[in-house]
Amino acid sequence: DAGVIQSPRHEVTEMGQEVTLRCKPISGHNSLFWYRQTMMRGLELLIYFNNNVPIDDSGMPEDRFSAKMPNASFSTLKIQPSEPRDSAVYFCASSRDGQPQHFGDGTRLSIL
Amino acid sequence: GESVGLHLPTLSVQEGDNSIINCAYSNSASDYFIWYKQESGKGPQFIIDIRSNMDKRQGQRVTVLLNKTVKHLSLQIAATQPGDSAVYFCAESPDYKLSFGAGTTVTVRA
Repeated sequence: DAGVIQSPRHEVTEMGQEVTLRCKPISGHNSLFWYRQTMMRGLELLIYFNNNVPIDDSGMPEDRFSAKMPNASFSTLKIQPSEPRDSAVYFCASSRDGQPQHFGDGTRLSIL
Repeated sequence: GESVGLHLPTLSVQEGDNSIINCAYSNSASDYFIWYKQESGKGPQFIIDIRSNMDKRQGQRVTVLLNKTVKHLSLQIAATQPGDSAVYFCAESPDYKLSFGAGTTVTVRA
């Protein structure tokens, strides 16, 4: 059965460029989470959607970050403009109410 | 703010031995705890979870113990195998939001 699918797996771009990360959650899951993982800060929650509605975006670093979930099977995380300090691995996770979160394999983002 | 922490950043274990990974948490409001395994280049993979109304839960070769009195969580892996080499994270949650520890790197010696 398909797990959480993220694309691209790797992204290298120059600072100032727009970056869009994509996520397809597990079918039937109604919660979606975006995380960022760095050596210094570990795994940090950026934003949480429930039934396609953003519930908690307190972890979004600044206005350069935005996330959308237009339907139950797709979400995007956008960074515009990107900066070198945004370099990290970005994970998407999904879950059903009361069930464990399941993670995708992440997007490794490098901003030069 | 409150956070989850791990006692040791690394653990080296002989193949076939049992492994114990420890985790301390500080949020007394947390009622859900979960262990993940992360291999290189992959996302965290769910291992086992436990709710605060239990103090022990067993899975396949894994056992999670919860001691609410001292806010301590542990993961025991029986008969550790080379495929168990990974970074292990504990996480706690009072609601939907998971707070992750820093992770323990487990290396299995042949």
